[in-house]
Amino acid sequence: GAGVSQSPRYKVAKRGQDVALRCDPISGHVSLFWYQQALGQGPEFLTYFQNEAQLDKSGLPSDRFFAERPEGSVSTLKIQRTQQEDSAVYLCASSVDRAQETQYFGPGTRLLVL
Amino acid sequence: GNSVTQMEGPVTLSEEAFLTINCTYTATGYPSLFWYVQYPGEGLQLLLKATKADDKGSNKGFEATYRKETTSFHLEKGSVQVSDSAVYFCALVKTSYDKVIFGPGTSLSVIP
Repeated sequence: GAGVSQSPRYKVAKRGQDVALRCDPISGHVSLFWYQQALGQGPEFLTYFQNEAQLDKSGLPSDRFFAERPEGSVSTLKIQRTQQEDSAVYLCASSVDRAQETQYFGPGTRLLVL
Repeated sequence: GNSVTQMEGPVTLSEEAFLTINCTYTATGYPSLFWYVQYPGEGLQLLLKATKADDKGSNKGFEATYRKETTSFHLEKGSVQVSDSAVYFCALVKTSYDKVIFGPGTSLSVIP
């Protein structure tokens, strides 16, 4: 079956623009995670959903970052008033249950803020 | 807090050479340990894992042993191939329901 997909794959935004990044998890996967990966660094946790409930948003760097998963499947990460420091690859991952050990990652969205 | 440290890259090896990528961790208790691999243009994939001390994870010729006494989980492969060129991430999770902590990654290039 299909893996985790993300769109767009690349996004260039002018500073101050709002962006929306989409994640389609593997069908039936309960848990969904967002990560931010800066150049040359490992992924850093942003937020976690179990079905439609956002159980942990402790990694969101500011209130400009907002994530939702209204029907417990597709998720959107929104960044308002983008800043240059938001430039990174945003990764989405899903897992079949609550356990965070085995996650399947999407290819990521590379965001460049000019 | 919990953290993962990896050897700095990039690492460049000739085909069929022996590979070691060092990983050490800081965590209380008994975390589970992982190696993920990121091939160019692709998402991270779980390569192997170990959930308790002295466990050995293995996959695709790669191995890593969970060493509690040295808080290490070094990745090894006896004979690397060009297709192993990728970025390798060491990671830990304290319990199944905690967030995964990733190391900074080590880039490996294997030349023919």
